[in-house]
Amino acid sequence: EVQLVESGGGLVQPGGSLRLSCAASGFTVGNNYMSWVRQGPGKGLEWVSVIYAGGSIYHADSVQGRFTISRDNSKNTLYLQMNSLRAEDTAVYYCAREQWTADDYYFDFWGRGTLVTVSS
Amino acid sequence: SSELTQDPAVSVALGQTVRITCQGDSLRTYYASWYQLKTGQAPLLVIYGKNNRPSGIPDRFSGSRSGNTASLTITGAQAEDEADYYCNCRDSSGRIFGTGTKVTVL
Repeated sequence: EVQLVESGGGLVQPGGSLRLSCAASGFTVGNNYMSWVRQGPGKGLEWVSVIYAGGSIYHADSVQGRFTISRDNSKNTLYLQMNSLRAEDTAVYYCAREQWTADDYYFDFWGRGTLVTVSS
Repeated sequence: SSELTQDPAVSVALGQTVRITCQGDSLRTYYASWYQLKTGQAPLLVIYGKNNRPSGIPDRFSGSRSGNTASLTITGAQAEDEADYYCNCRDSSGRIFGTGTKVTVL
């Protein structure tokens, strides 16, 4: 059974750092495209970062230069290192597995999310 | 980057049909996928590709596309379908989500 469990969220001051983890089971993180998606309070879903099976990484413009996605294949875990946090980064952060076909892609499994609150 | 626009809210009587739309230029090229969000739960994929349902998703959920508009239809809505629904698509700059639609089952 595929499972994704996020952890590491919490309250952090503006300008601070936090590292989120996403422990996977039922499949191999390193063989898949994995993304972080967030939802701010009262807001919609926003894609944040992706790491491809081959190791390439991409980030949304809103977090470029501040957030870094990575993975540890030995722990089958995905990470999101978040630096220089701002109030607008307050959100529930989800990790999700991507599936790609010739025509499209989609997020087939998601975790329950972890809450990050940036406030003084 | 592109945007995907959804109606903020729709309501449907129990057992009736509701269609949720998602508009955006990227949809002329790529299919949308659709996600159901309920508070405290993991988002759930309900439709992907041309009109595909993951295992376990009831067949009352269906998808379609015409021009720059993708649609999610719930035929015979049930109380448990009350949730927020988001479309998603790729574009030249990455991955984009729709603005979301709150579905209320009356």
